[in-house]
Amino acid sequence: GAVVSQHPSRVICKSGTSVKIECRSLDFQATTMFWYRQFPKQSLMLMATSNEGSKATYEQGVEKDKFLINHASLTLSTLTVTSAHPEDSSFYICSARTGWGTDTQYFGPGTRLTVL
Amino acid sequence: DAKTTQPPSMDCAEGRAANLPCNHSTISGNEYVYWYRQIHSQGPQYIIHGLKNNETNEMASLIITEDRKSSTLILPHATLRDTAVYYCIVKGGSEKLVFGKGTKLTVNP
Repeated sequence: GAVVSQHPSRVICKSGTSVKIECRSLDFQATTMFWYRQFPKQSLMLMATSNEGSKATYEQGVEKDKFLINHASLTLSTLTVTSAHPEDSSFYICSARTGWGTDTQYFGPGTRLTVL
Repeated sequence: DAKTTQPPSMDCAEGRAANLPCNHSTISGNEYVYWYRQIHSQGPQYIIHGLKNNETNEMASLIITEDRKSSTLILPHATLRDTAVYYCIVKGGSEKLVFGKGTKLTVNP
């Protein structure tokens, strides 16, 4: 099956710093990648959609200048949380879509971000 | 808003079949039914999807009613490792996956 990886799996940072999370599709080319956020005991909330080589589309209420997304290749997307605050602490999950067939999305294992 | 309705929780005995229902009465003709599950502190795992025919793979079976207004995910022989939150999602081809609250399935020994 299609495999998506994320790095790092856990990160702790100080308030005001920036953190970059990588998402890779390991055995397929992903025309579209998605970034989700999940707070404790809540469901996944879509943050943004990115297509390779173009600007990301952000969901309503998600600050594009705070959550920078780059999708420079068909196998890599990055999410940078800039000037992190404690309220940004969450579980960040990426997914990738092959863009063919029925467009099934495959998810990465997630990144636990803790901002002190 | 999620287009599906699922029971918030279910229990199942280990080794028995787990039947997870999902209502999607407003589904349109070009929308698929997808099932994912999320084990605690992990990313969602794709299970199966279908349009109108029943589907089966190595993980589960998906039974879709003839009017397509509801479906059932069947785990034929549940194990403790199947304890997870199961999400039923209705989605057209290029639409985004929107997660509802899902069903928390607990498999008991």
